[in-house]
Amino acid sequence: AQKVTQAQTEISVVEKEDVTLDCVYETRDTTYYLFWYKQPPSGELVFLIRRNSFDEQNEISGRYSWNFQKSTSSFNFTITASQVVDSAVYFCAPLDAGGTSYGKLTFGQGTILTVHP
Amino acid sequence: ETGVTQTPRHLVMGMTNKKSLKCEQHLGHNAMYWYKQSAKKPLELMFVYNFKEQTENNSVPSRFSPECPNSSHLFLHLHTLQPEDSALYLCASSPQISGNTIYFGEGSWLTVV
Repeated sequence: AQKVTQAQTEISVVEKEDVTLDCVYETRDTTYYLFWYKQPPSGELVFLIRRNSFDEQNEISGRYSWNFQKSTSSFNFTITASQVVDSAVYFCAPLDAGGTSYGKLTFGQGTILTVHP
Repeated sequence: ETGVTQTPRHLVMGMTNKKSLKCEQHLGHNAMYWYKQSAKKPLELMFVYNFKEQTENNSVPSRFSPECPNSSHLFLHLHTLQPEDSALYLCASSPQISGNTIYFGEGSWLTVV
């Protein structure tokens, strides 16, 4: 079974601040994938990143960066120079590549990010 | 525009009504999913279809009845729902069910009165 913990229920920052959203996951599989999704008020889940468990390189995409630490089962997400449009709920979700959780994304409660002007 | 379209976006129905949610994906994917997001629970998987065949039913009550006529379309038929079924229902698709990126639609906001 999988589990994901996003310890920060809500984060509030002022525009241009950097903010890091924490994610700790549990999985019994050796091969798995990790995702981050953004959910604006409209409801749609917007895909941000997919990371394979064998690839521990950190990734940067514009103002977004991700820090994958397999040893601590963490996959943290940092937004640099935050903007009001970044306000949303953010979900980290592991996906097992096999076993009983095959093909299933497991979601936690998410982190509500509010960026104030 | 994610390539996954859901209709209607908003639906209000009585407990005795029968309605359907529709999902269509234009991405050429072979797997489709229904997820439910309610105020009190995390996003939870309801059903998975792979090449039109149901591969997962996550203990969903029979008042929710999915239908997948082809790999591009997925329906969720609703009948005799309860107020606690009010939620955001999200459809999603992926190329296959084995670790590919899953793309979501905008969701259908359902209110049962």
